Amino acid sequence: AQRVTQPEKLLSVFKGAPVELKCNYSYSGSPELFWYVQYSRQRLQLLLRHISRESIKGFTADLNKGETSFHLKKPFAQEEDSAMYYCALSDQAGTALIFGKGTTLSVSS
Amino acid sequence: EPEVTQTPSHQVTQMGQEVILRCVPISNHLYFYWYRQILGQKVEFLVSFYNNEISEKSEIFDDQFSVERPDGSNFTLKIRSTKLEDSAMYFCASSRSLYGYTFGSGTRLTVV
Repeated sequence: AQRVTQPEKLLSVFKGAPVELKCNYSYSGSPELFWYVQYSRQRLQLLLRHISRESIKGFTADLNKGETSFHLKKPFAQEEDSAMYYCALSDQAGTALIFGKGTTLSVSS
Repeated sequence: EPEVTQTPSHQVTQMGQEVILRCVPISNHLYFYWYRQILGQKVEFLVSFYNNEISEKSEIFDDQFSVERPDGSNFTLKIRSTKLEDSAMYFCASSRSLYGYTFGSGTRLTVV
């Protein structure tokens, strides 16, 4: 069955510290992986997707098929990064996104 | 930047009542979705809609739920007889392709 696991419910770091939000998935085929972010009282927004291999707001994520992981990383956290982060997967265009439970990132000064 | 609009932002209803949650997807998008998030839990897929019919639905989307695109712009989710456990945040989303999911800001449904 398709499953996305985000093992950390809360991650607290200090400003300037590196951040890694973990995401593991279970899927038999070749999924598309995404990270979504939800800032306080705002809507879910696409942060990045593995296929584009881009860096958004300093965040990157590499798909590791061997470890079935798609961890989100940022070398130096900023206070404005504080938000809820969701890892999600999909198998093809127009189908459901399967979300993880989300990780709250709290960055303090 | 185009947005997915959801109304109302908060709906309170009595158990057993019917509710309709409304969404206006982005105009040139082809796929439409409903998701829900029960407080403290993960975002869960309910249903996807393409070419004027349901293309995929989850186990949550039982006979109590229905979706409709009554005109060229609105996309609605109807819950026929609400239960306490239907209390959640309901998100509408639309996409033109796999890479263009846009979510609305959600409707918080409270069933009392």
